Amino acid sequence: EAGVTQFPSHSVIEKGQTVTLRCDPISGHDNLYWYRRVMGKEIKFLLHFVKESKQDESGMPNNRFLAERTGGTYSTLKVQPAELEDSGVYFCASRPGLAGSDTQYFGPGTRLTVL
Amino acid sequence: AQSVSQHNHHVILSEAASLELGCNYSYGGTVNLFWYVQYPGQHLQLLLKYFSGDPLVKGIKGFEAEFIKSKFSFNLRKPSVQWSDTAEYFCAVNAGSSNTGKLIFGQGTTLQVKP
Repeated sequence: EAGVTQFPSHSVIEKGQTVTLRCDPISGHDNLYWYRRVMGKEIKFLLHFVKESKQDESGMPNNRFLAERTGGTYSTLKVQPAELEDSGVYFCASRPGLAGSDTQYFGPGTRLTVL
Repeated sequence: AQSVSQHNHHVILSEAASLELGCNYSYGGTVNLFWYVQYPGQHLQLLLKYFSGDPLVKGIKGFEAEFIKSKFSFNLRKPSVQWSDTAEYFCAVNAGSSNTGKLIFGQGTTLQVKP
């Protein structure tokens, strides 16, 4: 079974540019999460999809961040325009069911550097 | 709001030493508790989790954790560490009554095991 995949693994962009991160969850997993870790800080929740619907986007920092999950399969997270403080590692995770105790399976992360 | 505190940010041990990593959380209701590990160059993976039943849970690679409700703690233990346990360890919680599964993470503890 393929795991959660993320693309790209690294991205270096200049302030003001746009970047789009992609996450492919494990097949059949309705729940998809985005998290971010800024250097030296804890991993923080950004948002949660159930299929194509946003269940919880309370962690999104501001309106420069836009997440989509068209068709309930892969998801994209766009940052436009990027700012220096957006640098960090963006993790995607997926889990199959409705129980909060279900394990979330994480992808390898995308390291974003904004110069 | 829920929060998670990991007491040690960086731990250095010699092989065969015993390990205990502290984790405390703040939330008054039912919780699900997790320990994740990130080995160098790899993605986050689940070590163990507690959601109900026996408060002493056993995970992979000889790790275990004890949920002490009165202390709001979920400390991770291993009797004898190996060099291959060098990694970053994350404690996480989510509210048991919620089905969103959103994880709140601690800051992480980097464990370095000297051969």
